[in-house]
Amino acid sequence: AQSVAQPEDQVNVAEGNPLTVKCTYSVSGNPYLFWYVQYPNRGLQFLLKYITGDNLVKGSYGFEAEFNKSQTSFHLKKPSALVSDSALYFCAVRPSGNTPLVFGKGTRLSVIA
Amino acid sequence: NAGVTQTPKFQVLKTGQSMTLQCAQDMNHEYMSWYRQDPGMGLRLIHYSVGAGITDQGEVPNGYNVSRSTTEDFPLRLLSAAPSQTSVYFCASSSRGDTEAFFGQGTRLTVV
Repeated sequence: AQSVAQPEDQVNVAEGNPLTVKCTYSVSGNPYLFWYVQYPNRGLQFLLKYITGDNLVKGSYGFEAEFNKSQTSFHLKKPSALVSDSALYFCAVRPSGNTPLVFGKGTRLSVIA
Repeated sequence: NAGVTQTPKFQVLKTGQSMTLQCAQDMNHEYMSWYRQDPGMGLRLIHYSVGAGITDQGEVPNGYNVSRSTTEDFPLRLLSAAPSQTSVYFCASSSRGDTEAFFGQGTRLTVV
């Protein structure tokens, strides 16, 4: 079965420190990978995606993610966290071109001043 | 550019009532989906569509119906509301598989 795992329900980081939000997936073939962010009482906003090519992809608000095919991971990173980065982050995978997104359960990021 | 518009934003239903959650997009996207978001469960797929006239079931389709008569609209019908359907519902659309999905602002539904 296709699945996405976000092993941490909550990640706490001090402002200015680097952050990592982990994601692994279990999908056959070459899926498309996405990260979304959700602020309170809002819809999901797209951050970045991996389709093909360079394993390090850069996205909005200074976020980046590293695709690792051998480990089937797509971890979200940011060199220096801001308090305003505090939100709920979702990793998602699209198993093939015409299938809908499969989401992880989300990781709540809390950046402390 | 409105993007994906969901109505209503909030709704309270009594058990057994029916209602339709509306979703409209103005980006001419082929792919549209409905998800429900529950605490600790992430987003779970209810139904999806890859084009007008084509729909398919997702992970949690029971109690819900959809139709896709036009490219723009993808309504979600609750046939007989149950307390287990209390959730936040999100509609999403995308143009093709390698592009990001755009989400509506959500409908918070409470069934009492």
